[in-house]
Amino acid sequence: AQKITQTQPGMFVQEKEAVTLDCTYDTSDPSYGLFWYKQPSSGEMIFLIYQGSYDQQNATEGRYSLNFQKARKSANLVISASQLGDSAMYFCAMREATNAGKSTFGDGTTLTVKP
Amino acid sequence: DAGVIQSPRHEVTEMGQEVTLRCKPISGHDYLFWYRQTMMRGLELLIYFNNNVPIDDSGMPEDRFSAKMPNASFSTLKIQPSEPRDSAVYFCASTRAGSYNEQFFGPGTRLTVL
Repeated sequence: AQKITQTQPGMFVQEKEAVTLDCTYDTSDPSYGLFWYKQPSSGEMIFLIYQGSYDQQNATEGRYSLNFQKARKSANLVISASQLGDSAMYFCAMREATNAGKSTFGDGTTLTVKP
Repeated sequence: DAGVIQSPRHEVTEMGQEVTLRCKPISGHDYLFWYRQTMMRGLELLIYFNNNVPIDDSGMPEDRFSAKMPNASFSTLKIQPSEPRDSAVYFCASTRAGSYNEQFFGPGTRLTVL
């Protein structure tokens, strides 16, 4: 079974609006970390935000926030006030404490911000 | 820190040739990962090391692929012989132990096999 599922291959959003990118995960490990990475057209992979499984509050980093719903096993990325530079591929990833360092990545969501 | 360093950034070679990709992880990181990214297959984990020891190479496509990490600051991914279907972007990434630590990716090597 896929451990990280990103159901939206592509998303469009109008500039200055908010957008939510979906991510669901599957694990039996009580301790894990969830990550979002951005890959612009230039190709580099950029770390955006982290949420720990024991964190009580949703993570925020500037315009990025993570809507963490543990019972539903979802970790959606919310980008507020979208900018043209947010157009990129976004990957959700999970790292389990018992899995010796390995991260599992989703298939990614391509976000296009329209002017 | 300079981040994860990969070389070369671009490689064009002919089918049958040997290709060696190089990676220098961030100092102090004890995990190193090799990924391959294509449009068709997305981001695939090929192999990863912990303290220079290969932990999981189940993602290595076939015997033509091999990876080594002779010391904490250097790793290679070798393809011999190369085939056109090996054309992809190959990323190296490193991180520290702990589920709270993100991976730091190198800029990638774009490999084209003609």
